[in-house]
Amino acid sequence: KNEVEQSPQNLTAQEGEFITINCSYSVGISALHWLQQHPGGGIVSLFMLSSGKKKHGRLIATINIQEKHSSLHITASHPRDSAVYICAVGNSGGSNYKLTFGKGTLLTVNP
Amino acid sequence: DVKVTQSSRYLVKRTGEKVFLECVQDMDHENMFWYRQDPGLGLRLIYFSYDVKMKEKGDIPEGYSVSREKKERFSLILESASTNQTSMYLCASRDFPRQPQHFGDGTRLSIL
Repeated sequence: KNEVEQSPQNLTAQEGEFITINCSYSVGISALHWLQQHPGGGIVSLFMLSSGKKKHGRLIATINIQEKHSSLHITASHPRDSAVYICAVGNSGGSNYKLTFGKGTLLTVNP
Repeated sequence: DVKVTQSSRYLVKRTGEKVFLECVQDMDHENMFWYRQDPGLGLRLIYFSYDVKMKEKGDIPEGYSVSREKKERFSLILESASTNQTSMYLCASRDFPRQPQHFGDGTRLSIL
């Protein structure tokens, strides 16, 4: 079973700062997902990637398959970015494709 | 946009009750999932269904069962609720394997 570790567990930043959240995993994967959960519960998928880098607005996700490591970056952070960010890795195999989740990183961005 | 709807946001039940949590998705997705989320433990898979009437156990199925009689609806059943099943329950669906999952807003269940 894959072990997924996120760091840091908690992160407090000032508005405008550049933020990095890290994710490492123990076993080779098919894909890695970054998710965002706002207070109240709803979870939104931000990225799914299996190599290289993806960008969406101020969010950038990178993955290094050899090192089994991914990072989520937020540029010019804003208080509305405050949320829990969750890394999840997908195993291989067709309809049996399932996710193993990290424990999440709680990000607070102060104005 | 995909909509995954969970029947209740908050639910309070008593120990020993049979509890039903309902989830409906409107995008004809094949796969549906039930997770529970606890502080310090993250999301853990209870059951998933890859087609109507098909189900597979996840990592923590004990004390739970599921039902998928129609493609759009996936029900989680707590056969005899216990206090250690107090948790946030999240339903999700996806179109194909390796596609992003779409989550409902969650049901915060308290068992007294």
